[in-house]
Amino acid sequence: DVKVTQSSRYLVKRTGEKVFLECVQDMDHENMFWYRQDPGLGLRLIYFSYDVKMKEKGDIPEGYSVSREKKERFSLILESASTNQTSMYLCASSEGGRSYEQYFGPGTRLTVT
Amino acid sequence: AQKVTQAQTEISVVEKEDVTLDCVYETRDTTYYLFWYKQPPSGELVFLIRRNSFDEQNEISGRYSWNFQKSTSSFNFTITASQVVDSAVYFCALSGAGAGGTSYGKLTFGQGTILTVHP
Repeated sequence: DVKVTQSSRYLVKRTGEKVFLECVQDMDHENMFWYRQDPGLGLRLIYFSYDVKMKEKGDIPEGYSVSREKKERFSLILESASTNQTSMYLCASSEGGRSYEQYFGPGTRLTVT
Repeated sequence: AQKVTQAQTEISVVEKEDVTLDCVYETRDTTYYLFWYKQPPSGELVFLIRRNSFDEQNEISGRYSWNFQKSTSSFNFTITASQVVDSAVYFCALSGAGAGGTSYGKLTFGQGTILTVHP
């Protein structure tokens, strides 16, 4: 079974702090994705990566950056957390190509106060 | 641009009722893939089905069935004889070709439908 793990289920940070969300997958998948989920808005893509050190912006990249130094690990960074970044963050991975389903981690609920 | 619309925000049914979740999509791609995911209260999205744009055959898996109609750009999901364990948020999603055919499997999600099945 594919396993996607995220470093924390719940996180509380203060405004202005730098926040790191880590995601690890164990199936040698090429693609990895970061989404945020907000009520009524579904899942929105923040960034994705199709190879080590490669990244592309998704639909809402502002205020975020990412890092992929190893194939199995994809990190989301909030350089200076703000209250409007309070959300559920979901990481996913998939095989290369667009026909493959994505496998999701359990999510990190981030609260910025 | 791609778009997925799930017009039903919330649906509430009593156990054993049949329920259909609607999904309408927009894309200019001729080749694309449609997906349904389930998100139970635990939070982790679970893949249910994938359908490519060239395969309009309906699919049945146990109590679940999917109706793909290209003519109306719809990919609806029906649960027959619903059970309490079906209570979840259900998402429809679309993967297209992307710019230059390099979408890398990015998904466009609908807003989700919250299904509550009462005993």
